[in-house]
Amino acid sequence: AQKITQTQPGMFVQEKEAVTLDCTYDTSDPGYGLFWYKQPSSGEMIFLIYQGSYDQQNATEGRYSLNFQKARKSANLVISASQLGDSAMYFCAMDMEYGNKLVFGAGTILRVKS
Amino acid sequence: DVKVTQSSRYLVKRTGEKVFLECVQDMDHENMFWYRQDPGLGLRLIYFSYDVKMKEKGDIPEGYSVSREKKERFSLILESASTNQTSMYLCASSSTPAGTKNIQYFGAGTRLSVL
Repeated sequence: AQKITQTQPGMFVQEKEAVTLDCTYDTSDPGYGLFWYKQPSSGEMIFLIYQGSYDQQNATEGRYSLNFQKARKSANLVISASQLGDSAMYFCAMDMEYGNKLVFGAGTILRVKS
Repeated sequence: DVKVTQSSRYLVKRTGEKVFLECVQDMDHENMFWYRQDPGLGLRLIYFSYDVKMKEKGDIPEGYSVSREKKERFSLILESASTNQTSMYLCASSSTPAGTKNIQYFGAGTRLSVL
């Protein structure tokens, strides 16, 4: 069965610094997708970034980048130049090649300090 | 922009009540999902639907049912609410993906308390 592990329950980062949120996954499927979502205190889940297992390059979306290491089965989210508005819960998720369901990790709470 | 709307942000119900959580999406998505979110457990899938009148069980369907009579609306039903169903409930929708890019779009969530 597919599984997502986020080992950091909580993280602190100073404003304007970069931070890495860890995500490891377990699957035997050759094709899969990896996602990161942000959940502010308001509750809505916001899609941030996607990485396909066949993609040759790491995904980037503005200040977000995904450090994809396929052999290690890790898909860490890097947020550059942290802002106070980045304080939120962050979830890593995975999809299978022939399915529409996402499997989520337990999440990491990020707090940005001024 | 995709919009997924959940009918209530907060609900307080009594044990044994029948509870309806409503979700509407405006992007003509085929797929809709109901999750519950609990601290330390992430999001767990309750039910999902690939089409009108179709439904499939997720990982934790016990104590829940769903209804999808129209493409844009997906309802979660707690037949007889219990205190262990106190949780945050999130609805999501997605189009049928090409490959693995199955981006799900979420509503704001309903925080349900069962007393």
